[in-house]
Amino acid sequence: TQLLEQSPQFLSIQEGENLTVYCNSSSVFSSLQWYRQEPGEGPVLLVTVVTGGEVKKLKRLTFQFGDARKDSSLHITAAQPGDTGLYLCAGGTSGTYKYIFGTGTRLKVLA
Amino acid sequence: EAGVAQSPRYKIIEKRQSVAFWCNPISGHATLYWYQQILGQGPKLLIQFQNNGVVDDSQLPKDRFSAERLKGVDSTLKIQPAKLEDSAVYLCASSLGGALGYFGPGTRLTVL
Repeated sequence: TQLLEQSPQFLSIQEGENLTVYCNSSSVFSSLQWYRQEPGEGPVLLVTVVTGGEVKKLKRLTFQFGDARKDSSLHITAAQPGDTGLYLCAGGTSGTYKYIFGTGTRLKVLA
Repeated sequence: EAGVAQSPRYKIIEKRQSVAFWCNPISGHATLYWYQQILGQGPKLLIQFQNNGVVDDSQLPKDRFSAERLKGVDSTLKIQPAKLEDSAVYLCASSLGGALGYFGPGTRLTVL
């Protein structure tokens, strides 16, 4: 059974601080996605990474896919209150397009 | 481009009652997913359709849950009879055939 563990589970920080969220598995994935979900809404896709070692940047967010395609990280620089939400990683399997989600990291950025 | 539509947005039922959720994916998207998200957790895949065929339903509790996607477009997910532990948000997502990416707003189900 494929599992994706995220850490930390909860994170509360002050505006302007940096943070990193981790997504780990013992399984290899063909692609890894990161989502942000706000209360009462569905997850919104932030990025998809497909190559081991790949790094993608989206403004203040930096995403990295591990060399072995088993893990990923999300780094936020100078966090803002608007970054508050539930961050989810999702691992994809090629061919079937089946995606499983991680356990989630709830981030709160205080002004 | 219109997004993934779901209805109803909220539903409250008594245990042992039945309930149905509806999803209209983005036009032209061949792959449709139903996920169950319990409060504070990541979504769990219930069933995945490719056009109107089932690709994966290994985690669908088939004794009480059923889903169909007629004509490869809209889909319905039914629970009969509902249990207390079915209280969750039911998310529908669709994709063109590659990466998952588009979710609906979800239906929040409360079973009393």
